[in-house]
Amino acid sequence: AQSVTQLDSHVSVSEGTPVLLRCNYSSSYSPSLFWYVQHPNKGLQLLLKYTSAATLVKGINGFEAEFKKSETSFHLTKPSAHMSDAAEYFCRGSTFIFGSGTRLSVKP
Amino acid sequence: NAGVTQTPKFQVLKTGQSMTLQCAQDMNHNSMYWYRQDPGMGLRLIYYSASEGTTDKGEVPNGYNVSRLNKREFSLRLESAAPSQTSVYFCASSERYPPRNEQFFGPGTRLTVL
Repeated sequence: AQSVTQLDSHVSVSEGTPVLLRCNYSSSYSPSLFWYVQHPNKGLQLLLKYTSAATLVKGINGFEAEFKKSETSFHLTKPSAHMSDAAEYFCRGSTFIFGSGTRLSVKP
Repeated sequence: NAGVTQTPKFQVLKTGQSMTLQCAQDMNHNSMYWYRQDPGMGLRLIYYSASEGTTDKGEVPNGYNVSRLNKREFSLRLESAAPSQTSVYFCASSERYPPRNEQFFGPGTRLTVL
């Protein structure tokens, strides 16, 4: 069964600096991969998804992720962090199994 | 469209009490899910319903039962609540069962069992 691993439980960046949130997957077949964001006391919202159409996927709010089969990774990036990006981020695979989450803090 | 709605938003129970969490979606989705979220553990799938009339266990089904009442509604029941069931519960739906489907989430129910 496919699983995903989020490599960092907490990432802290300064406003205006790049964001990198890491997700690795394990799968014997071409996966579907998703990134979700959860703001405090809210439900999860889809940021972007990979379904084999293109390896570089652009999402909402300036986020993007690159599918790298050789590294079994699907890391989430953003060139410049905003204060409003502070939230919990979850990676998910095809089987609806979520990673444990990465909390992103953004310092002024 | 309201999307996915959940009731109640908050609930406090005593050990041994029972309750039902309600979920409804208005997107004509075939598949629905119940997750629980605990700090540091992400979301864990309790039960899912791939289509109306079917339900299946997820990762952590013990202590829970579900009912797919119709295509719109999927309820989660705690028959005898335990403190270990203190959590935030999310309902979700998707157009069809896997793969390659986005899930839409409700706002969650915060449950405390004393």
